[in-house]
Amino acid sequence: KAGVTQTPRYLIKTRGQQVTLSCSPISGHRSVSWYQQTPGQGLQFLFEYFSETQRNKGNFPGRFSGRQFSNSRSEMNVSTLELGDSALYLCASSLRTGGEAFFGQGTRLTVV
Amino acid sequence: EDKVVQSPLSLVVHEGDTVTLNCSYEVTNFRSLLWYKQEKKAPTFLFMLTSSGIEKKSGRLSSILDKKELFSILNITATQTGDSAIYLCAVGSLVGGLLPGGSQGNLIFGKGTKLSVKP
Repeated sequence: KAGVTQTPRYLIKTRGQQVTLSCSPISGHRSVSWYQQTPGQGLQFLFEYFSETQRNKGNFPGRFSGRQFSNSRSEMNVSTLELGDSALYLCASSLRTGGEAFFGQGTRLTVV
Repeated sequence: EDKVVQSPLSLVVHEGDTVTLNCSYEVTNFRSLLWYKQEKKAPTFLFMLTSSGIEKKSGRLSSILDKKELFSILNITATQTGDSAIYLCAVGSLVGGLLPGGSQGNLIFGKGTKLSVKP
């Protein structure tokens, strides 16, 4: 069965712009989480959506937001981009409470 | 503050060696500990541990959890060049306790151990 699909794979934006990233979870998975990965900070949790509701949120500014649709697909939006937002953004889906999370290939965002 | 600490940060070994990677944690509302292998982009799932003392094995890889001492180890025997990767440890936490309807909660990741296996 298909894995977690993230689009686009690569993105270049300028400071001040906004960006929307998309994630399609594994079929049947209702939980989708987003992570930011940078060389200095490693993988950091952004937020989690479960059945269209945001369940948990990490320590990121309000410029980072997300949503989940009825088909479990999720989008993440970053407004007023800063250079420091350059990172690999990973999406993960899981089936059950506390279960293993499966990651997509990520979106490499570069802010110039 | 919840944290996951992995050691060593990097490791260079030769093919055939056995390696042990360490992960210690301080996390409230612990649910599970997971190990991932990251080679290029997507971390790939290796193990999920929820109970102390029960070893999980997959080929040359094995892992065990100690919930009393709050740590886990990942062992790789007879290493191969294909084992070269960053190994990530993550602890699953349910922020605020168990949520109705079930929730993944969030995964708190360590910085990873970069393993390089030389031929």
